[in-house]
Amino acid sequence: ETGVTQTPRHLVMGMTNKKSLKCEQHLGHNAMYWYKQSAKKPLELMFVYSLEERVENNSVPSRFSPECPNSSHLFLHLHTLQPEDSALYLCASSPGQGGTNEKLFFGSGTQLSVL
Amino acid sequence: GESVGLHLPTLSVQEGDNSIINCAYSNSASDYFIWYKQESGKGPQFIIDIRSNMDKRQGQRVTVLLNKTVKHLSLQIAATQPGDSAVYFCAEDYNFNKFYFGSGTKLNVKP
Repeated sequence: ETGVTQTPRHLVMGMTNKKSLKCEQHLGHNAMYWYKQSAKKPLELMFVYSLEERVENNSVPSRFSPECPNSSHLFLHLHTLQPEDSALYLCASSPGQGGTNEKLFFGSGTQLSVL
Repeated sequence: GESVGLHLPTLSVQEGDNSIINCAYSNSASDYFIWYKQESGKGPQFIIDIRSNMDKRQGQRVTVLLNKTVKHLSLQIAATQPGDSAVYFCAEDYNFNKFYFGSGTKLNVKP
């Protein structure tokens, strides 16, 4: 248990569906991240939030919409996805003290399949 | 662009032997590196980290070596156990907690 909880663990959706992924961290951290992990590819950074403010959007298509209502919760809203968006979506958090060189703590991920 | 890569995609070792997993990075400005372990169905788990002002750091059964001259990172696992079987990633902090991750090396521990 890393203190970062993601739900659901598995999600199957059609290309016209709208769904949301949820992440909650119980570590008192100020920074939260979404990463995408595709088969046989390195983890790709998608979004970074620091103190509920988005500080990074790594050229992610608009069909992915993040939301950070408070420093403990992070959502990824999904709309009209493509089959190539099927992947493991990982949430992470870090202390976010404004500096650098901070460890990322990951959740177990949501395995997404787009049909 | 900048990238982090691993030399060996799969490594098989006998239980009790030592394991060495290697990683090459290309961003000479990166100043912080982390090794993660990922078991099937789980997210990456922190193993050990090292800052660029060090060349070696030891943990419990694990050692990370950093060679900035050739931009090379390695993870050594002593007395490898079946529970060490997983995929191992290196990650480099290239810009204020933004990380590049390697593709991963799968470690198989044979009993």
